[in-house]
Amino acid sequence: AQTVTQSQPEMSVQEAETVTLSCTYDTSESDYYLFWYKQPPSRQMILVIRQEAYKQQNATENRFSVNFQKAAKSFSLKISDSQLGDAAMYFCAYRRAFGKETSGSRLTFGEGTQLTVNP
Amino acid sequence: GAGVSQTPSNKVTEKGKYVELRCDPISGHTALYWYRQSLGQGPEFLIYFQGTGAADDSGLPNDRFFAVRPEGSVSTLKIQRTERGDSAVYLCASSLEWTGELFFGEGSRLTVL
Repeated sequence: AQTVTQSQPEMSVQEAETVTLSCTYDTSESDYYLFWYKQPPSRQMILVIRQEAYKQQNATENRFSVNFQKAAKSFSLKISDSQLGDAAMYFCAYRRAFGKETSGSRLTFGEGTQLTVNP
Repeated sequence: GAGVSQTPSNKVTEKGKYVELRCDPISGHTALYWYRQSLGQGPEFLIYFQGTGAADDSGLPNDRFFAVRPEGSVSTLKIQRTERGDSAVYLCASSLEWTGELFFGEGSRLTVL
């Protein structure tokens, strides 16, 4: 079974500064997907960024980028130029590469990191 | 609607009662998922529907939990004889097809007194 671990329950950053959230995972599979989701107080999970394991290049979405270290099974999220609206709970998630329709796209989530942005 | 809609937003019930939580996915999305998120934890998978059938219900904790999706659109999660440990946020997500990106609703917060 796959597991996802986020060892930082809480993080804080000053507005306009950079912060990095950590995530490690455990899997025996070679092909999979990794995600970072943001969950504001509204409770809705919002996709921030995704990474395909077969791609060596780290994914980037505007101010958000990842550092994907496949051998180390590490997947950290870097937020640059932090904004007040970035404050939320952040979850790292794992999904198997598609094997069959009956498996669907079920995600395995970590425990989350609460990010506070200070003005 | 444009997004995944879940009702009720909040539900308070007494131990032993029966509860239904509803999920209205994005129109045309064939895949639908239920997750349970306990306080301070990440969401945990409960069940996955592809069309009308439950393709994977391995995450349901026990036989008090049941979910249906009779017409391949709206889904209802049913919890019998609720226990205090069932208190959590129940999240629903849908995707266009089984390989697609998941879109989540805002969840239903269930409190069992």
